[in-house]
Amino acid sequence: SQTIHQWPATLVQPVGSPLSLECTVEGTSNPNLYWYRQAAGRGLQLLFYSVGIGQISSEVPQNLSASRPQDRQFILSSKKLLLSDSGFYLCARRGYNEQFFGPGTRLTVL
Amino acid sequence: QQQVKQSPQSLIVQKGGISIINCAYENTAFDYFPWYQQFPGKGPALLIAIRPDVSEKKEGRFTISFNKSAKQFSLHIMDSQPGDSATYFCAASMGTGNTGKLIFGQGTTLQVKP
Repeated sequence: SQTIHQWPATLVQPVGSPLSLECTVEGTSNPNLYWYRQAAGRGLQLLFYSVGIGQISSEVPQNLSASRPQDRQFILSSKKLLLSDSGFYLCARRGYNEQFFGPGTRLTVL
Repeated sequence: QQQVKQSPQSLIVQKGGISIINCAYENTAFDYFPWYQQFPGKGPALLIAIRPDVSEKKEGRFTISFNKSAKQFSLHIMDSQPGDSATYFCAASMGTGNTGKLIFGQGTTLQVKP
């Protein structure tokens, strides 16, 4: 089966601290991968997508960056977190036309 | 032109009633229209999807109606149940595109009262 893992599930970080969220995908090779952020009670904002190793496209200029060091690994990072970075971060992979989402990481920046 | 507009923002329905959520788009190049269901604290899950060459698709109690000329599509939940209480997102994409990006609506929070 094709499974998406996200780690950690929840995270509380102080303002100004670094961030690293990991997404790993099982059961498929060279998938298109996506990072979304969902603010409380809001919609899905596409942050980054990747069509292959080392290939990152940014959708929204911001305090975050993404990397894809391996075929099935997608990492979201920040050097210094802002309060506005709080939210629910979702990783997704492309199926044929649809996308399948992981369980998400709840990030709270204090 | 890349937007998908979803309404209503929130919806309250009695158990057994019909829930209807509407979406509209502008880009006629869109050729794939999925609906996602999201429960609190969970990732969205694909519910049902349609292509513009059909006007309706039904899966159990969930039906998508598609109006190509009006550039609108809607989700109908028949015999709504409290377990259907969730946030629903419509989306659109150019399915054959290399990026596979989905353009999401703003979401509708559905509450089904027992």
